[in-house]
Amino acid sequence: DTAVSQTPKYLVTQMGNDKSIKCEQNLGHDTMYWYKQDSKKFLKIMFSYNNKELIINETVPNRFSPKSPDKAHLNLHINSLELGDSAVYFCASSQAVNTEAFFGQGTRLTVV
Amino acid sequence: GDSVTQMEGPVTLSEEAFLTINCTYTATGYPSLFWYVQYPGEGLQLLLKATKADDKGSNKGFEATYRKETTSFHLEKGSVQVSDSAVYFCALRTYSSASKIIFGSGTRLSIRP
Repeated sequence: DTAVSQTPKYLVTQMGNDKSIKCEQNLGHDTMYWYKQDSKKFLKIMFSYNNKELIINETVPNRFSPKSPDKAHLNLHINSLELGDSAVYFCASSQAVNTEAFFGQGTRLTVV
Repeated sequence: GDSVTQMEGPVTLSEEAFLTINCTYTATGYPSLFWYVQYPGEGLQLLLKATKADDKGSNKGFEATYRKETTSFHLEKGSVQVSDSAVYFCALRTYSSASKIIFGSGTRLSIRP
């Protein structure tokens, strides 16, 4: 039973396309996140949702739009994909403040 | 702002060697501290954590002690194995940044048989 699952695992697409990544957690957590990992392995938070409300948006371009239909799901939609969007995107969840986060397996996005 | 600094990699060791990966932090308040591990092609897994000063987190032979006086959380293992080869991330979370975990830049560890 995967705790945090995201799909797809790999995504190859052309510049200018629109794509979505889906994330689901079955841990009953209140908070979900999207992180971006660049080619040097550096991890940077993009968004955080608590009980379906956006609480962090870390200067991410407007082309990125998260959507949380319920507490267990946090999807990421990306419009007009650019070469620089190529990265691994991780979804994560946590129960409360000051607790650890559980991560999905990642989605490797390649824009060509 | 809050931040984490960890030693640059890559770190290459022989099997059964002693491992230390240094990590220091800057934070307001009293953070929880974490070490995550990322094996090739996989997501991040929590390796160990400590939530208050002088706590020692441990798992799979790895240990780290929360040192408030030196703002450090160094990762150690007495005898590494080839299977420990991975990227290790030190991270923190405070009430002031309650909704995000802040990561260090990661340290790649390679173990030679």
